[in-house]
Amino acid sequence: GAVVSQHPSWVICKSGTSVKIECRSLDFQATTMFWYRQFPKQSLMLMATSNEGSKATYEQGVEKDKFLINHASLTLSTLTVTSAHPEDSSFYICSARRTSGSFSSDTQYFGPGTRLTVL
Amino acid sequence: GESVGLHLPTLSVQEGDNSIINCAYSNSASDYFIWYKQESGKGPQFIIDIRSNMDKRQGQRVTVLLNKTVKHLSLQIAATQPGDSAVYFCAENIPTGANSKLTFGKGITLSVRP
Repeated sequence: GAVVSQHPSWVICKSGTSVKIECRSLDFQATTMFWYRQFPKQSLMLMATSNEGSKATYEQGVEKDKFLINHASLTLSTLTVTSAHPEDSSFYICSARRTSGSFSSDTQYFGPGTRLTVL
Repeated sequence: GESVGLHLPTLSVQEGDNSIINCAYSNSASDYFIWYKQESGKGPQFIIDIRSNMDKRQGQRVTVLLNKTVKHLSLQIAATQPGDSAVYFCAENIPTGANSKLTFGKGITLSVRP
């Protein structure tokens, strides 16, 4: 159990276009999903926390108007990179946290990531 | 802790030996810790976790040790195999009101020599 998928796995786009990345929890419900960005040979940096049915909470320095997050259901969150530029090229990873009250409920399960390249 | 993000340190071990990967965390209020394994081009994979009220937890071939006094976490891998080669991250869960969030360490590359 605890499978998280992302789509697409990679995307190449032109500068100025918008790109949408989907994150789905396949076999559990996730009240909370998280979006991370990872540059080569670096650690994961949290961008925002997404709660189902409410506005996302963005980390300091992350532009909410540029990185639009929607968490419309307990199994789906989307990240839209608007007006993408080459510096937005990165590996974007989502995670989902179970809603149960057990010990493992704090565990975040990660998707496989989406490689974004902006030309 | 915060990731500075220059070069990941590397631990090289002989196949069959035990590996010990260390991590220093930053926040004394952290209540939960997780070790993740990340292979190239993939998302992090959960390995093992531990609560702050424990000091040791064992899984299959892996053991996590927690020393809250010095804010230190370690991952021990028994009989290291080539498939264990990856980048390993520790993460600390910092309670922040309604939502807690994970902060990742810098990561350590484990390289297994055949």
